[in-house]
Amino acid sequence: KQEVTQIPAALSVPEGENLVLNCSFTDSAIYNLQWFRQDPGKGLTSLLLIQSSQREQTSGRLNASLDKSSGRSTLYIAASQPGDSATYLCAPGSNDYKLSFGAGTTVTVRA
Amino acid sequence: SAVISQKPSRDICQRGTSLTIQCQVDSQVTMMFWYRQQPGQSLTLIATANQGSEATYESGFVIDKFPISRPNLTFSTLTVSNMSPEDSSIYLCSVEEGASTEAFFGQGTRLTVV
Repeated sequence: KQEVTQIPAALSVPEGENLVLNCSFTDSAIYNLQWFRQDPGKGLTSLLLIQSSQREQTSGRLNASLDKSSGRSTLYIAASQPGDSATYLCAPGSNDYKLSFGAGTTVTVRA
Repeated sequence: SAVISQKPSRDICQRGTSLTIQCQVDSQVTMMFWYRQQPGQSLTLIATANQGSEATYESGFVIDKFPISRPNLTFSTLTVSNMSPEDSSIYLCSVEEGASTEAFFGQGTRLTVV
């Protein structure tokens, strides 16, 4: 069974700082890995999808890296803004397309 | 990307009753899933909704408690049966599409059982 750990559990930074969110998973036989954002009481918004053959993926201020062999992914958010405050979830996907979720990192960006 | 509509968005239900949650997708998709997010927890997969056949349930979830229908490639329902306060959670529908199998989620149904 895939176990996903996200560190830190919570993060509070002043506006403008760069954010580094870490994710580790126990089974390296993944098909892909997604990062999601969840606002309180809401559904999930897909941020980035990394295929198992890729090392990183970028979208705007977001960059995610993947080291499949060591079971790690890192999400970088540059120049954080108060609107980035949310919970960020890491979800490696298996070959049968099922996602396993970490507990998330709750980010607060202070204005 | 797929647009997913879930109904209802929230409900408060009496224990012992059942609630059916609907998930409508704006395009045909092969893979549809139902997840549960208990208060303060992350998401747990309940089942894969298979079109034209019975859903495939994950360990700890059974059809009698969470019956699922998938009549076509754009629609699915999840019923939470004989509810108890422990069923209070957010229930989310998810689809995966394209060769990349990127997953998209509905906005969720917040269920409170009293």
